[in-house]
Amino acid sequence: DAGVIQSPRHEVTEMGQEVTLRCKPISGHNSLFWYRQTMMRGLELLIYFNNNVPIDDSGMPEDRFSAKMPNASFSTLKIQPSEPRDSAVYFCASSFDRGVSYGYTFGSGTRLTVV
Amino acid sequence: KQEVTQIPAALSVPEGENLVLNCSFTDSAIYNLQWFRQDPGKGLTSLLLIQSSQREQTSGRLNASLDKSSGRSTLYIAASQPGDSATYLCAATTNDYKLSFGAGTTVTVRA
Repeated sequence: DAGVIQSPRHEVTEMGQEVTLRCKPISGHNSLFWYRQTMMRGLELLIYFNNNVPIDDSGMPEDRFSAKMPNASFSTLKIQPSEPRDSAVYFCASSFDRGVSYGYTFGSGTRLTVV
Repeated sequence: KQEVTQIPAALSVPEGENLVLNCSFTDSAIYNLQWFRQDPGKGLTSLLLIQSSQREQTSGRLNASLDKSSGRSTLYIAASQPGDSATYLCAATTNDYKLSFGAGTTVTVRA
């Protein structure tokens, strides 16, 4: 199994530009989570999907952030417009059963730098 | 809201010494507790998963215990090696299916 695949690994963009982060969960997993990691705030849950449906987006910082999961094998996290304070590592994680029995598997992350 | 705390924040030991990493959580209504390892600039690698009904899990030199009633988990790493140097994070799966993380313990094993 290839694990959770995220792209790109690194992204450098200018303030005001649109950024799209991508995630391919493990085949057969039906829950997908987006996290953000910063030195100041640690790991924060942004949004999670179950069976492609957004369940909880209370962690999404503001309207500039949006996430979609059009099918079971693909999700995107979009920031528009991006700001320097969005600079962080964004992780995607997937699970078979919302993490209850088998826990979570994380991708390698996307390091976003907004200049 | 679940609060997860890890103490100490950093730890430095000589090679061969046993490591003890502590994790506490405020809400005992959890499905499980998971320990992760994170190397600098890398993602999170799952080490051990303990279900709420279990007391401990073992994998090689790693052993994790869980005392749900007191809100504590401990990760033991036996006979530490320089390759064990990393940040270790614990995370609790809460009853609303969210994973709440501690801030991590950064371990340095000196050769």
